[in-house]
Amino acid sequence: ETGVTQSPTHLIKTRGQQVTLRCSSQSGHNTVSWYQQALGQGPQFIFQYYREEENGRGNFPPRFSGLQFPNYSSELNVNALELDDSALYLCASSWASGRGGNTIYFGEGSWLTVV
Amino acid sequence: QKEVEQDPGPLSVPEGAIVSLNCTYSNSAFQYFMWYRQYSRKGPELLMYTYSSGNKEDGRFTAQVDKSSKYISLFIRDSQPSDSATYLCAIHTGKLIFGQGTTLQVKP
Repeated sequence: ETGVTQSPTHLIKTRGQQVTLRCSSQSGHNTVSWYQQALGQGPQFIFQYYREEENGRGNFPPRFSGLQFPNYSSELNVNALELDDSALYLCASSWASGRGGNTIYFGEGSWLTVV
Repeated sequence: QKEVEQDPGPLSVPEGAIVSLNCTYSNSAFQYFMWYRQYSRKGPELLMYTYSSGNKEDGRFTAQVDKSSKYISLFIRDSQPSDSATYLCAIHTGKLIFGQGTTLQVKP
């Protein structure tokens, strides 16, 4: 158990709809990041939040957005869902000390199917 | 060229075999290297974490980094059926850059 919890675990949405995925980070961690993992692929970095501010973003369109709350929990929002958004969405948390190389722990993920 | 390349396999070995999993990376400035294990339909679990070059051992697992060749390896000794999973190498640059993952099956 990593202490990173995600909800919901599975969901099905229709193309064009919007979805919100939630994550509670491990106690004491101040940084949360989100990854998308398509079937048979490695996870791809979406974005990262540190102290409620986005401080890094991967190659994903603006319809992927997020929030981090004062308790360091986080949300991932995806608007105008497309079929290719079907994937496992992973939340990861860590403690950013500024020295780099911090250990990153993942939750079990949210499986999103877009039909 | 992808930043991290990993042979997706699948790799099938008999129980007790030594397994070698490998990745190559493109940027010589990378310094932090990680291996994750991912069971089917689960989140990745951190296995090993190494900084710069050299070896790191943890039980049956050994992680090796060769910065001159930009090559990272994970060795599993005395492999067990419970080791059957997908193994992901990752470079830590503040975010994680993953390889595609290698699927390993250890047959009893």
